[in-house]
Amino acid sequence: DTAVSQTPKYLVTQMGNDKSIKCEQNLGHDTMYWYKQDSKKFLKIMFSYNNKELIINETVPNRFSPKSPDKAHLNLHINSLELGDSAVYFCASSQAPGLTGYTFGSGTRLTVV
Amino acid sequence: KNQVEQSPQSLIILEGKNCTLQCNYTVSPFSNLRWYKQDTGRGPVSLTIMTFSENTKSNGRYTATLDADTKQSSLHITASQLSDSASYICVVSGSTDSWGKFQFGAGTQVVVTP
Repeated sequence: DTAVSQTPKYLVTQMGNDKSIKCEQNLGHDTMYWYKQDSKKFLKIMFSYNNKELIINETVPNRFSPKSPDKAHLNLHINSLELGDSAVYFCASSQAPGLTGYTFGSGTRLTVV
Repeated sequence: KNQVEQSPQSLIILEGKNCTLQCNYTVSPFSNLRWYKQDTGRGPVSLTIMTFSENTKSNGRYTATLDADTKQSSLHITASQLSDSASYICVVSGSTDSWGKFQFGAGTQVVVTP
């Protein structure tokens, strides 16, 4: 299936731990993104990557470190997890920014206890 | 204050009925407006994309309208089906927004009952 797939779907961890979320797209898109959906359901951009290059870092704490080994993958590593990091994280991709459609993954629900 | 406001926050409709969701925005200068459908536990799926010059766009039983002068958009669902139960999110992009940096509404939760 052509899609944006991210793993894991659920992640429960203790404060202070380090965790990673993986994302892969097989749509041949050049651009990938990470979004955070908070408890109020608002989605906010965290990072944008184009052909493995960081384009946007939307004032995200440096505990969050994205890594793009190739343009089909964009992983998110989070150090020293805090309670406020609890949210649903969505990976997405698009062919290019602008009027193209964005394809989202199914999300990773992160719960920090 | 969020630049994209959606109403109602939630609504319940009977299967087969129509409904209309509203989106008001203050994003300026405006570039485009998208409607997404987000099923529970899933990522948003694009329904329509409209630019400044477009007044209406349809995708099956979904019809979006845009009034760029009043900064309002609506999403009309015709002959609702149980599978229409989802959150519908209005997403607005300003001319200076790029690379996925959109303004998202909080969504309208639609529940279609038999």
